[in-house]
Amino acid sequence: GQNIDQPTEMTATEGAIVQINCTYQTSGFNGLFWYQQHAGEAPTFLSYNVLDGLEEKGRFSSFLSRSKGYSYLLLKELQMKDSASYLCAVRDGPGTYKYIFGTGTRLKVLA
Amino acid sequence: DADVTQTPRNRITKTGKRIMLECSQTKGHDRMYWYRQDPGLGLRLIYYSFDVKDINKGEISDGYSVSRQAQAKFSLSLESAIPNQTALYFCATNETATQRLHEQYFGPGTRLTVT
Repeated sequence: GQNIDQPTEMTATEGAIVQINCTYQTSGFNGLFWYQQHAGEAPTFLSYNVLDGLEEKGRFSSFLSRSKGYSYLLLKELQMKDSASYLCAVRDGPGTYKYIFGTGTRLKVLA
Repeated sequence: DADVTQTPRNRITKTGKRIMLECSQTKGHDRMYWYRQDPGLGLRLIYYSFDVKDINKGEISDGYSVSRQAQAKFSLSLESAIPNQTALYFCATNETATQRLHEQYFGPGTRLTVT
C-alpha cells in the first residue's frame, strides 16, 4: 500500500529551528517533494530530493534517506510568516508522475 | 496574471445537482491533475491527464468525471453532487520535459459546499 506519515502539528518560537519529519512506504519512488500551504491557499513548491542527502535552499533544507524511507524539512531562523502547513509528497515510480501526499504538518510559529 | 486559474472560487450547491469546476493554465504544461483536500486527509488525487488524449483515474474517482478540452483546460464534473463531496478542490499542472524537477503548480482552489 501507499502510506506517508507526518506529525499533525508542531509549535516553535520565532528565530528557532524546526525539523518536520516524513516517513513513507510506497510501491515506487521517483522523488520526494515538500510543499508549503498557508491556510486557504494553494500549496507552493519548497524542495525536492531524489538522491540521498541534504539539499539546502536559503532558510530551508530537506534531507532524504531512501533506504529508511525517511525525509525531513529543516526550517531555520523561523519567522511568523512560516506558520503554515507543510506537505510531504512522493512521486510514484518512473514516468508516471503521480504524487502521493501526506496529510501535512501544521506549524505554528510563536512570537 | 496567475499561471493556473480555477473557476468558480466558491460554490454552494444542492444535493443531486450537476456541477462543473474549470481549470485553465498558461504555463504550457502537458500534465494536469485534480485533487480534493479534506481536513485531516490531505490532498487526494481524483483524475489526471498527461495530454489531451490521455485521461486516468486517481484514487478517488467515483462520482467524478473529467474533460480535457485542450492542452490548457481540464474540467472536473460532479454528475450528481452529494454532501460528502464538500471539500476544497485543487487543479495542478506540471511538465514532462526531462531534466526538470516536475514540481506541480497549483491553482488557487475551489471551495465547494454541497447541502
